Amino acid sequence: DAGVTQSPTHLIKTRGQQVTLRCSPKSGHDTVSWYQQALGQGPQFIFQYYEEEERQRGNFPDRFSGHQFPNYSSELNVNALLLGDSALYLCASTYPKQGSPLHFGNGTRLTVT
Amino acid sequence: AQSVTQLDSQVPVFEEAPVELRCNYSSSVSVYLFWYVQYPNQGLQLLLKYLSGSTLVKGINGFEAEFNKSQTSFHLRKPSVHISDTAEYFCAVTPTDKLIFGTGTRLQVFP
Repeated sequence: DAGVTQSPTHLIKTRGQQVTLRCSPKSGHDTVSWYQQALGQGPQFIFQYYEEEERQRGNFPDRFSGHQFPNYSSELNVNALLLGDSALYLCASTYPKQGSPLHFGNGTRLTVT
Repeated sequence: AQSVTQLDSQVPVFEEAPVELRCNYSSSVSVYLFWYVQYPNQGLQLLLKYLSGSTLVKGINGFEAEFNKSQTSFHLRKPSVHISDTAEYFCAVTPTDKLIFGTGTRLQVFP
């Protein structure tokens, strides 16, 4: 049973560039969330997608956008990268039921230089 | 709004000793509570969860946690730790399905 898979595992970008991160949810899950984990911090909620719509959004600027495809996979796009966007980006999937635990991928390590 | 406070940023302990990782939360509504573990260069793995019912929750790898509503706490315990328990531990709460995490506790187990 495949868990949550993310690609790429590592990425180095320059300030001002744009980046796309990809996520495939665990089999049977239809809800995908994205989190940003800065070094030494807990994960911070970016947004959540269900039925190809953004359902919830955290306190992140519009430079952060996403998409969910009919097969439930998802993309996170970040435009106009800043040095402060350097972090581990985690994708998590679940069922749309209150209290259902999130299953996390291993993340994409983004470094902005 | 909800918030989570993990009182200890680092907890050093010798192998086979007991350990408690502390977590307090703040919320004006009922929440679900979780503990996750993160090993180096990996994502987060669910240790245990409290949704309702018994306040003592048992999880994987011998961990357990007790929900205390009056003290708004959800401390994680293990009676005897192993070297392999060395990792970062995160407490999280959610009123729906958006998790709010604490800043984490680094558990370092020494031989």
